[in-house]
Amino acid sequence: QKEVEQDPGPLSVPEGAIVSLNCTYSNSAFQYFMWYRQYSRKGPELLMYTYSSGNKEDGRFTAQVDKSSKYISLFIRDSQPSDSATYLCAMSEWGYGQNFVFGPGTRLSVLP
Amino acid sequence: NAGVTQTPKFQVLKTGQSMTLQCAQDMNHEYMSWYRQDPGMGLRLIHYSVGAGITDQGEVPNGYNVSRSTTEDFPLRLLSAAPSQTSVYFCASTTYGRNSGNTIYFGEGSWLTVV
Repeated sequence: QKEVEQDPGPLSVPEGAIVSLNCTYSNSAFQYFMWYRQYSRKGPELLMYTYSSGNKEDGRFTAQVDKSSKYISLFIRDSQPSDSATYLCAMSEWGYGQNFVFGPGTRLSVLP
Repeated sequence: NAGVTQTPKFQVLKTGQSMTLQCAQDMNHEYMSWYRQDPGMGLRLIHYSVGAGITDQGEVPNGYNVSRSTTEDFPLRLLSAAPSQTSVYFCASTTYGRNSGNTIYFGEGSWLTVV
C-alpha cells in the first residue's frame, strides 16, 4: 500500500459543477495537509494548506481533513475552465526538515 | 519575485552522458530539495538539503548527486544518464513554521529525455 493514495482520474465535469478530490493516507503522524495545483508544463503551486483536522475555506475552494479516517478532500464550487489542471495532495509530519509525501495527482477537466 | 529558478527547461541526453540541473532560490530558505515526476508515480524525492553543506538522500537517490555550497544554490548532477532517468525534474524550496505551515515552492520544471 502506498503511503498516500489519490484517485487518478481523469475527471471531467461541466462548468459550474461541484468537484470533490480525495486522498487517503496511512501515516497517522501526518499533521500538515496541502493541495497543490499543477497546470500543464508548469510546476505545482500551493492552493490550500490545513493543519491537523478540520475545514478551511478560501473562495471557491474548501479543504477538509479527517484524521480519524486518514482522509482529506478538496472541494471546488462553481468550477471554471481555468480550474482544469492536475491536483496533488501532499502531507508531512510536524517539525523542521520533515519531508513531504505527495499523492500521484488527479487530472481535472472543466468543460465550458 | 523570482522564487525558485531552475535551468535548463528542456534537455536531451545520450545514455552515459552527465549533466547538471541548476537551481537557485531567492527566498533565503534553508531547506531545498529535488523531485522527479513520472506518470502515475507522483512526485518522488531524490535528494534534499537542510542547509549549506548538508545534504541527504530521498526516496530515489541512485544515479544522482547533489551539493549545497550556498543557501541559494542546489544543483543536481546526473552522473551517467540512463533512459530510466527520463522524467520531469522539479527543484523546490521549503519554508517551515507552526504558524505559517510547511510550504513548498517549486521551480518551473526541467524536462529531461535520455536516449
